[in-house]
Amino acid sequence: DGGITQSPKYLFRKEGQNVTLSCEQNLNHDAMYWYRQDPGQGLRLIYYSQIVNDFQKGDIAEGYSVSREKKESFPLTVTSAQKNPTAFYLCASSRTGTGANVLTFGAGSRLTVL
Amino acid sequence: KQEVTQIPAALSVPEGENLVLNCSFTDSAIYNLQWFRQDPGKGLTSLLLIQSSQREQTSGRLNASLDKSSGRSTLYIAASQPGDSATYLCAVYHNTDKLIFGTGTRLQVFP
Repeated sequence: DGGITQSPKYLFRKEGQNVTLSCEQNLNHDAMYWYRQDPGQGLRLIYYSQIVNDFQKGDIAEGYSVSREKKESFPLTVTSAQKNPTAFYLCASSRTGTGANVLTFGAGSRLTVL
Repeated sequence: KQEVTQIPAALSVPEGENLVLNCSFTDSAIYNLQWFRQDPGKGLTSLLLIQSSQREQTSGRLNASLDKSSGRSTLYIAASQPGDSATYLCAVYHNTDKLIFGTGTRLQVFP
């Protein structure tokens, strides 16, 4: 079955540590996205990539980094520079990044900073 | 700046009722509007996508309408069931290449 796999589902981090969240898709989609979700707020875009080896900052990119070395993979690193990293992180993909396509989401990764 | 608002924030109804969820956006220059469903602790599932040139889309018991000029969309759920309980989010594709989400309506349908 085609879809998006995010791992780990739950992650605990000590302050000062970097952590990397995995996102893999087998949908052959060109565009991939990372969103952050906090209670009572809508999803906010962190980074997005419309094609391999290219990515753009979203609305809240500070303290995060990404790479897009392969079409099917778009890992997100939460660095120690991110002041409030505890949140639910969602990865998504779409056939293209033109806006005409439905987004498919992964099941999410919940990060808690101890 | 595009802003998306959903009212009400929460809704609790008995099974069988027809209900309407509202979504409003401040800038009518959108490419499309999408409705999603999110179950607790899960990712989002796409329900309906309405292109900017369309007025409505239907899928089973769901019907979504779009009025660009007034900056509004509604999601109509017919004959609600307990399995419909979830958070419903709308999102607009603005004149950039990213979706802007509302904060969602949390729906509970009780037997």
